[in-house]
Amino acid sequence: ETGVTQSPTHLIKTRGQQVTLRCSSQSGHNTVSWYQQALGQGPQFIFQYYREEENGRGNFPPRFSGLQFPNYSSELNVNALELDDSALYLCASSSPGNTEAFFGQGTRLTVV
Amino acid sequence: DQQVKQNSPSLSVQEGRISILNCDYTNSMFDYFLWYKKYPAEGPTFLISISSIKDKNEDGRFTVFLNKSAKHLSLHIVPSQPGDSAVYFCAASDSGTYKYIFGTGTRLKVLA
Repeated sequence: ETGVTQSPTHLIKTRGQQVTLRCSSQSGHNTVSWYQQALGQGPQFIFQYYREEENGRGNFPPRFSGLQFPNYSSELNVNALELDDSALYLCASSSPGNTEAFFGQGTRLTVV
Repeated sequence: DQQVKQNSPSLSVQEGRISILNCDYTNSMFDYFLWYKKYPAEGPTFLISISSIKDKNEDGRFTVFLNKSAKHLSLHIVPSQPGDSAVYFCAASDSGTYKYIFGTGTRLKVLA
């Protein structure tokens, strides 16, 4: 059973650019959530996808968007990058009826 | 508005002794609580969880206690080992949303 994998592990972008982060969920998991973890903070919920539909959103602007594919993998897209978007982005997957979510290793995004 | 608070940013404990990590929450709708452990350059790893219908859950060296009236939970690690040194995050959810609200974490250092 493979765990949650994210790519890339590190990324440097320039302010104003766009970025796409990718996540493969754990086998059998149809729910994917994305979190942003700024330095010294806990992870903050961005949004969740369930069966390819957005299933809840945190307090993030519309330039944060996502997709889930039929194989339950997911993408997080961020447009018009700002310096404050620099953070660790975490993907977590979970299975139906199971509240524990399992996290990937994260993508460290640096915006310069 | 920090709905989940971990008021101790750090904790040092001698190897073999008990580590107690604390977490407070404000939202009475939360009915599921989790603890995650995070090593540097890795994603959070699920440790233990508890439903609001229980007041204690044990898994090996790890025990989580929930005091609903005080809106407080704690994680006990006995005996503490140097490999337990990590950042510990408390998280809470309203099971209707499956969205986790995380605390800011407590850095545990177990001294050999």
